[in-house]
Amino acid sequence: QKEVEQDPGPLSVPEGAIVSLNCTYSNSAFQYFMWYRQYSRKGPELLMYTYSSGNKEDGRFTAQVDKSSKYISLFIRDSQPSDSATYLCAMRAGQAGTALIFGKGTTLSVSS
Amino acid sequence: GAVVSQHPSRVICKSGTSVKIECRSLDFQATTMFWYRQFPKQSLMLMATSNEGSKATYEQGVEKDKFLINHASLTLSTLTVTSAHPEDSSFYICSAPGTGSTDTQYFGPGTRLTVL
Repeated sequence: QKEVEQDPGPLSVPEGAIVSLNCTYSNSAFQYFMWYRQYSRKGPELLMYTYSSGNKEDGRFTAQVDKSSKYISLFIRDSQPSDSATYLCAMRAGQAGTALIFGKGTTLSVSS
Repeated sequence: GAVVSQHPSRVICKSGTSVKIECRSLDFQATTMFWYRQFPKQSLMLMATSNEGSKATYEQGVEKDKFLINHASLTLSTLTVTSAHPEDSSFYICSAPGTGSTDTQYFGPGTRLTVL
């Protein structure tokens, strides 16, 4: 079993839809959870950062972490065509300076 | 936010040649930088951790003699792919831990290497 599992999709939704992206993980030591957005042939861009369990909201984006289930989610409200990208979950156990473990990424396409 | 640059953004080379990729933190210092490799439709896989002033730490299965890492200063790390072969063709991305409340990593724009 891989440390981080993420359905690669692709996921296609109409503009305005609510999108749910998910990752599961097996290492209970992970404490820091991130979502990155990656456009084609570009470096990942940090979207959301969460420490431990709970919810975090930033504009149209909401990140949820459920450590008891080892499950994290990213919700995108009122999705826009510009949201079309690959979304990567990432996590780590240690403090800053520790490498991230990434999911495979989910490719999202939002049609207008 | 913190900015990390990479150079070159794209390189095409012949099999057997060596290629150097630079990773720079532009507005902050980074004692540690990470090098990842990403194959098409795959996730980022950590190759090595670059440490300023000491040897790099390589992940299992990554040949340290093939992928030479030098962390020359607090703002520069280089990855040299020696005697590149077509199977080394990939997207190479570096990152550096940021400072402040987000306590996470900032990624460079990546370098696409194509070995003919």
